[in-house]
Amino acid sequence: QTVVTQEPSLTVSPGGTVTLTCASSTGAVTSAYFPNWIQQKPGQAPRTLIYSTTNKHSWTPARFSGSLLGDKAALTLSGVQPEDEAEYYCLLYYSGAWVFGGGTKLTVL
Amino acid sequence: EVHLVQSGAEVKKPGATVKISCQVSGYRLIDYHMHWVKQAPGKGLEWVGLVDPEDGTTEYAEKFQGRITITADTSTDTAYMELSSLRSEDTALYYCLTAAHYFGSWGQGTLVTVFS
Repeated sequence: QTVVTQEPSLTVSPGGTVTLTCASSTGAVTSAYFPNWIQQKPGQAPRTLIYSTTNKHSWTPARFSGSLLGDKAALTLSGVQPEDEAEYYCLLYYSGAWVFGGGTKLTVL
Repeated sequence: EVHLVQSGAEVKKPGATVKISCQVSGYRLIDYHMHWVKQAPGKGLEWVGLVDPEDGTTEYAEKFQGRITITADTSTDTAYMELSSLRSEDTALYYCLTAAHYFGSWGQGTLVTVFS
C-alpha cells in the first residue's frame, strides 16, 4: 500500500518562511506524480492552491510556491501571514489512482 | 464559474447503503474526471475514487473496492457516489472534487453518519 508522508506539524513566525514536504513510499517524487497542494481551514471545505508541482490557481497568494526538493514535493510559504494557519495536504498521482498525504498542521505563532 | 453542489446530510444504519450526489455547473461534467474524497471526523483527507464521465470508467482506492460505486449522469451533469455495507468507520464528510481547471473546485461536502 502506497503511503504519502508529510510533517505532522510545523510552526512558523509571522513574516517567516516555511517549507512543507511530501514524500512517497515508492521512491522519489517527480513531476510525473503531478503533486497538488491543498489547504483546509477549520470548518471549511478544502481548496487547491498548487497543481502539477509548481502551478498556482488564480486565488493562490503569491507567497505560496510549489517545487521538487530532493526526492520530495515541497510547498514553500514566504512571508507567512496569520491567515495561513491551516492544514495542508499534498495529493499525488499513482497510475490511475491518487493518494493524499496525512497532512501538515501549520501554526503561525 | 464552476460550482459543485452536493446533496444533503444522510443518517444510515450499519449495513445500509448510501448514495450521494454532486451536481456541477459552469462546465460540462463529461469533460473532466470527478473524484470523491472522504474526511472522517478530526482526520485527514482520503481519496476514495474517480469516474470518467465520458465512458463511465472508474478507479477506486483499494480499501473501498467492493463497496463503492461511482457513476456519472451526463444528461443532468450529476455525479454519484454509492457506498454499501456501511459501518461506523464510514461516518465522515464526503467531498466531490472536479479535475476541471486542475482540481479547481470542491463540493461543499456531504455528512454521512452511520448510527445504530
